[in-house]
Parts: sequence; structure tokens; C-alpha cells
Amino acid sequence: EAQVTQNPRYLITVTGKKLTVTCSQNMNHEYMSWYRQDPGLGLRQIYYSMNVEVTDKGDVPEGYKVSRKEKRNFPLILESPSPNQTSLYFCASSMFWGQLAGDLGDTQYFGPGTRLTVL
Amino acid sequence: GIQVEQSPPDLILQEGANSTLRCNFSDSVNNLQWFHQNPWGQLINLFYIPSGTKQNGRLSATTVATERYSLLYISSSQTTDSGVYFCAVDNYGQNFVFGPGTRLSVLP
Repeated sequence: EAQVTQNPRYLITVTGKKLTVTCSQNMNHEYMSWYRQDPGLGLRQIYYSMNVEVTDKGDVPEGYKVSRKEKRNFPLILESPSPNQTSLYFCASSMFWGQLAGDLGDTQYFGPGTRLTVL
Repeated sequence: GIQVEQSPPDLILQEGANSTLRCNFSDSVNNLQWFHQNPWGQLINLFYIPSGTKQNGRLSATTVATERYSLLYISSSQTTDSGVYFCAVDNYGQNFVFGPGTRLSVLP
């Protein structure tokens, strides 16, 4: 079954304790990204990756790190979490991006979400 | 960067009613998608529609790219249509920008 998986699904942690949220896709997609969802703000893109070892900042990258060492995995790292990073996080993937995605009608597939609470 | 607005922010319908959701964007776009987030938080792609009209069952969408808006039509609404509807755009870059969403509640 084609899917995007995230772990953990729920996490409660304390300020300053480093954590990693994993994301994996089994569709051989080139493009992966992370979003956070906050009430009234919709989804905002944190980081995205166009291929292995190629990553770039989205609209709200502060306080986050990512890596893309393998095509299927795109972990989100919070080196020193703070309460303002309490949010619902989504990972997404698609085969293409930008102009090519537009031309081919490619769509994004989303993971189930990770609800993070930082105390 | 590109701005995305959605209206109305909230919508309450009786089962069987029709509705129209609107998405306005501030610049030309290469990619526009509509998503439904169900009450359990799952995000499902509904349409990829940077221009023109598409239909899928009771749902249809129209994007008028020259006037920078898109409409999502829901006919004969059902309680399972409840949730939040987002539009998201990509204006020839690598990142997507989501609108704030329209929260739809369909009452039995």
C-alpha cells in the first residue's frame, strides 16, 4: 500500500529535550516536505527536499532541522524544543515539484500527522 | 510571498444542502490543490486544478487563473463532508502555501 508514515503519532516532551519525528514514504517520491498546522493559520511549510541531500527552507524553518540521506526518509529534528513548537506536524511527499508537478498534475500525499506538545 | 485567502471561514449546513467555498490568491500559480481534512485530522487531496473545471461525484472545482480564484462546490452535502477544506498553491517555486481553511459542519 502506497503511504507516508510518521512516528511518533503523539509526543509530549519538555523544553530543551532534543527530539526527532520520522517520516518515511514507499512511493519512490522525489519531493518531501514538513508542515505544521496551528489553529487559524492553516498549514505552514517548515522545510522541503527535492531529492537526496537537497533541502531548503519553507516559510517557518526557525527551530527545526531536517536531513535527507535516503530517498524514502525525511526526519524532522527539534534540537531544543520550545512551547511555541507545540503543534500538529504533517509530512508529505510527491513525485515532482514546481513547474513539472504543475504540468503533470502531480499531487501531494500526506502522513497521518504527529501531535507534539512541548511543556 | 504569495497570499492565499479562503472564505467563508466557517460554514454550517443541513444535510442535503449545496455549498460553495472560495479561494483567492495574490499571484499567478503553477499548481493549485484542494484538500479535505476530516475530523480525525487526515488530509486527503480532492483536486489538482490550476485552471479549468473538474468534477468528482458530488464535488466539483473551478479555477479562473486570470482572476486568481478557485471555487469548490459541494452538492447534496453529507455528514461525512464535515471537516476543514484547504486550498494550497505553488507559484512556480518549490514550496506550497496553504490558505487558512474553511471549516464545514454538515448537520443530520
